Amino acid sequence: SQTIHQWPATLVQPVGSPLSLECTVEGTSNPNLYWYRQAAGRGLQLLFYSVGIGQISSEVPQNLSASRPQDRQFILSSKKLLLSDSGFYLCARSFRPNTEAFFGQGTRLTVV
Amino acid sequence: GDSVTQMEGPVTLSEEAFLTINCTYTATGYPSLFWYVQYPGEGLQLLLKATKADDKGSNKGFEATYRKETTSFHLEKGSVQVSDSAVYFCALSDRSGSARQLTFGSGTQLTVLP
Repeated sequence: SQTIHQWPATLVQPVGSPLSLECTVEGTSNPNLYWYRQAAGRGLQLLFYSVGIGQISSEVPQNLSASRPQDRQFILSSKKLLLSDSGFYLCARSFRPNTEAFFGQGTRLTVV
Repeated sequence: GDSVTQMEGPVTLSEEAFLTINCTYTATGYPSLFWYVQYPGEGLQLLLKATKADDKGSNKGFEATYRKETTSFHLEKGSVQVSDSAVYFCALSDRSGSARQLTFGSGTQLTVLP
C-alpha cells in the first residue's frame, strides 16, 4: 500500500492559535514528502519538502514550519495562525525525482 | 525557472461534448509531464503522464501527447460525462534530480452539464 493519511480532514481555528497537521505514509521507505497549500480557487503552492528524517526545505518564508521526526511522518505547524493561512493543505509523496507525486485527501483549514 | 501555463477556466460543456484543455510549459531539458484531476473536496489524483517527446498518455478516455516542438501537453477527451466535472492540473517534473519535484499550472475548472 502506498496510502497517505492526513488528519484532520477539516479544521476551524481562531487567529493566533497554534496549528499541527499530520501526514503519515505507508509503503516504501525513505520517500520524498511534500506539503502544498491550495487557496480557494487557486493553484497549488509548494510550502515544504523533505528528502529524509530531519531534512526540511522551505519554499516560501512565512509563519509555517515543517518537521519530519520519522521516515514516514511529516508535520506542518504554526505557532500563531493568520487569516491568510486559510486554505486546503495537501501532503504528497514521491519515490524519486522526475516521477509522479501521490497526494493525500487534504485538510481544509479555516482561520476565523 | 520551470513554469506551466494552462488555459483559463472555468470551462462549461454539455455531456458528450469534445474537451480540450491547453497546457504549455517552460523547462530546462526534457521534463516529464502530468495531468492531475481534483474532484470536489478531495486531493489530487494522477490522471495520465508522459515521460518523453511524442509519448501519449491516456486514461479513462482522456489523452495528452508530449509535443516537444510546441512545448505543449494538451488534455483531450472525445466525449465528456457529468462525472468528469473537476479541476484539472497540468504539471511537469524536471530532470535536474532535485527533490523539489513538480511544478503545477493554476488548474482549470471543468463543469459538464447533463
